[in-house]
Amino acid sequence: KAGVTQTPRYLIKTRGQQVTLSCSPISGHRSVSWYQQTPGQGLQFLFEYFSETQRNKGNFPGRFSGRQFSNSRSEMNVSTLELGDSALYLCASSLGSVWGEKLFFGSGTQLSVL
Amino acid sequence: GENVEQHPSTLSVQEGDSAVIKCTYSDSASNYFPWYKQELGKGPQLIIDIRSNVGEKKDQRIAVTLNKTAKHFSLHITETQPEDSAVYFCAASERGDKLIFGTGTRLQVFP
Repeated sequence: KAGVTQTPRYLIKTRGQQVTLSCSPISGHRSVSWYQQTPGQGLQFLFEYFSETQRNKGNFPGRFSGRQFSNSRSEMNVSTLELGDSALYLCASSLGSVWGEKLFFGSGTQLSVL
Repeated sequence: GENVEQHPSTLSVQEGDSAVIKCTYSDSASNYFPWYKQELGKGPQLIIDIRSNVGEKKDQRIAVTLNKTAKHFSLHITETQPEDSAVYFCAASERGDKLIFGTGTRLQVFP
């Protein structure tokens, strides 16, 4: 079956703009998590959505937001972009019903803020 | 909250040698510890995980050990091969809570 799909693959924005990233989870998966990956910082948790509700949240400013639709697809939005927001944004899906289950990651969206 | 430290940040080994990556965590309530492998241009992929009621788990050339008292866990890769070259991430989570990742180890296996 198809894996986790993230679009777009690359994005270039300028400071102050906003951006929306999209994630389509594996069919049947109800949980979508978002991570920010930067060199030296590893993967930092942004938030997790399960059945259209935010279930967990990381320590990011309110400029970072997300949502999940009834078909489990998820979007994350970053407003008023800063240079430090340049990163690879990964989403991961899972069934979401069992604790400690395998996460399936997409290939990510590489965001560059100029 | 949970904090995960991972060492070393880079590791170079000769093909056939063993590689060991170590992680420590801060939250004694954490009880799930997965390891993910990320190849260039791809998202991380789960390679092995362990829960707090188990001290060691093995899957072919890969093994993970957990010391709950010391709050550290390790990934062991034996008989390394060039295709093992990748970035490896450890992670920890408490039941029902978010997964916290370490900063990653870049493993290079030279033929």
